[in-house]
Amino acid sequence: GNSVTQMEGPVTLSEEAFLTINCTYTATGYPSLFWYVQYPGEGLQLLLKATKADDKGSNKGFEATYRKETTSFHLEKGSVQVSDSAVYFCALSAITGGGNKLTFGTGTQLKVEL
Amino acid sequence: DVKVTQSSRYLVKRTGEKVFLECVQDMDHENMFWYRQDPGLGLRLIYFSYDVKMKEKGDIPEGYSVSREKKERFSLILESASTNQTSMYLCLAGRTLYGYTFGSGTRLTVV
Repeated sequence: GNSVTQMEGPVTLSEEAFLTINCTYTATGYPSLFWYVQYPGEGLQLLLKATKADDKGSNKGFEATYRKETTSFHLEKGSVQVSDSAVYFCALSAITGGGNKLTFGTGTQLKVEL
Repeated sequence: DVKVTQSSRYLVKRTGEKVFLECVQDMDHENMFWYRQDPGLGLRLIYFSYDVKMKEKGDIPEGYSVSREKKERFSLILESASTNQTSMYLCLAGRTLYGYTFGSGTRLTVV
């Protein structure tokens, strides 16, 4: 079946540091890939997406590139802020049975300190 | 963007009760999902639906059923609530091309 593997957290960074959160996937066919973010005490919201190989999703300074050759969709940000502290979930959507099934990774907690 | 509304933010139910969790989207998206989120276990898929009356089991369907009689509404049913079903329940709707939107969640406590 389909699966998503994320790096273990928590990840602790100083403000203005470079962020990478690794995400790799296993899927048949051509999945679409997503990053979701959950800020403390809030619901999950879509951060960015990519629907085909070599697409780059971007939002709020975050970027991720769909790499089919390495089955990866790593999340990056050049300079993190304290307000980026949250849990980040990588996800894929792939056709299963009659419809699209969404599969999530376990989430990576990011803590940004001053 | 689609708006996804879950009918209750907090619910407290007794063991053995039949529980209905409602989810409504304001657009015409085919795909809707129910997940539960538990600390240390991440997001686990219970059921999903890709059209009216169409449903598929997710990873943990035991003890749950679903109903989708209209495209905008997807209901999760706990046939006989148990304490191990105490959790945060999340509904999701959307299309792959546009992305998927979460509802704000229902925190269910079974006592």
